[in-house]
Amino acid sequence: NAGVTQTPKFRVLKTGQSMTLLCAQDMNHEYMYWYRQDPGMGLRLIHYSVGEGTTAKGEVPDGYNVSRLKKQNFLLGLESAAPSQTSVYFCASSYVTSGQETQYFGPGTRLLVL
Amino acid sequence: AQSVTQPDIHITVSEGASLELRCNYSYGATPYLFWYVQSPGQGLQLLLKYFSGDTLVQGIKGFEAEFKRSQSSFNLRKPSVHWSDAAEYFCAVGSNYGGSQGNLIFGKGTKLSVKP
Repeated sequence: NAGVTQTPKFRVLKTGQSMTLLCAQDMNHEYMYWYRQDPGMGLRLIHYSVGEGTTAKGEVPDGYNVSRLKKQNFLLGLESAAPSQTSVYFCASSYVTSGQETQYFGPGTRLLVL
Repeated sequence: AQSVTQPDIHITVSEGASLELRCNYSYGATPYLFWYVQSPGQGLQLLLKYFSGDTLVQGIKGFEAEFKRSQSSFNLRKPSVHWSDAAEYFCAVGSNYGGSQGNLIFGKGTKLSVKP
């Protein structure tokens, strides 16, 4: 049981390049999330998904797109990377039981946009 | 507006000393509260959570937290800190009403340093 995994661990992009970050979970969780973490800012929600084929915007969605074609995978795309997207990206997944939800996080992807 | 405040950006304690990290929240609905820990270069690990019931919750690694509704606080404590506790700690609040499942709101974190 690997939990939540993220690919890649580290990436350097040039401004204007595109890339996709992959999040995978093997816990059969319904809900998945993408956050970004910046110094002194805590974590901010980019997009989330409450089930296969559904996505929704979070607090800071601009410049990102997501897809949830399979329940276990949640992809985060940057179509045209900008230096402001330099950050550490965390994926999380969660289950709900008795109306209570707990999120479990992946190890993160460190992205540098030059 | 919903928010989480961690008043202390950085705290240094001596190994073996007690620890209390502060967390205050502003939330319109019944809050669900969490503490996560992040070691350098690592992801976030859940320390403990509060949903309902006993306001003093026990977590992993000897941590506990107390929910005080009247003070809108959820402070994290440990009676004796170990050097391996040096990390960044995040308080978060969530809710389970309407369609907002999972929208955790995080504080900005408190970095803990431990002196030998």
